[in-house]
Amino acid sequence: SQQGEEDPQALSIQEGENATMNCSYKTSINNLQWYRQNSGRGLVHLILIRSNEREKHSGRLRVTLDTSKKSSSLLITASRAADTASYFCATDNQGGKLIFGQGTELSVKP
Amino acid sequence: SQTIHQWPATLVQPVGSPLSLECTVEGTSNPNLYWYRQAAGRGLQLLFYSVGIGQISSEVPQNLSASRPQDRQFILSSKKLLLSDSGFYLCAWSVTGTVSGYTFGSGTRLTVV
Repeated sequence: SQQGEEDPQALSIQEGENATMNCSYKTSINNLQWYRQNSGRGLVHLILIRSNEREKHSGRLRVTLDTSKKSSSLLITASRAADTASYFCATDNQGGKLIFGQGTELSVKP
Repeated sequence: SQTIHQWPATLVQPVGSPLSLECTVEGTSNPNLYWYRQAAGRGLQLLFYSVGIGQISSEVPQNLSASRPQDRQFILSSKKLLLSDSGFYLCAWSVTGTVSGYTFGSGTRLTVV
């Protein structure tokens, strides 16, 4: 079953612009994670935010979490063509199993 | 350092044939192990997870099974493949007892014909 739902499904921007992707989920969580997947490859872990955290940064990535709204956002600042990939949110409800959303396909045009 | 190996990278199998996909992890002990399937390049579905040797939990009823014969080895199998088993299969591991992200293998693209 899918827990997280990303929005938008696809996003196309110019290099240098910021990219914002949103994720909504249905049940309470222990933490929420964001992953990146280049076409035909495995997923790469980007960032983890715990349920008691509201914001987290890692380089050009900024993640926010609003547990009252059951939503999270991933912001990529000053995007580059190399950021082109699919981005997935995943929720850890209990027991350490991650449930993934459908993903956002990001295209950054040079 | 920890690494995860998954093979083969691509596989074309006829309907009704058996399947065996292998995943091994190096550089860590007692990892949690997972098998996911991704259809049409989007959305991962958790198939199986394991917290120890011989301990397998199935998330969805299906034509597949999993086994963990050794601490760092996770195998996905089928006795008779169906067309609907086609997809991109991903193995992943995480550290037991901690809040951490998953490390994924490079995946196996399975096409059942």
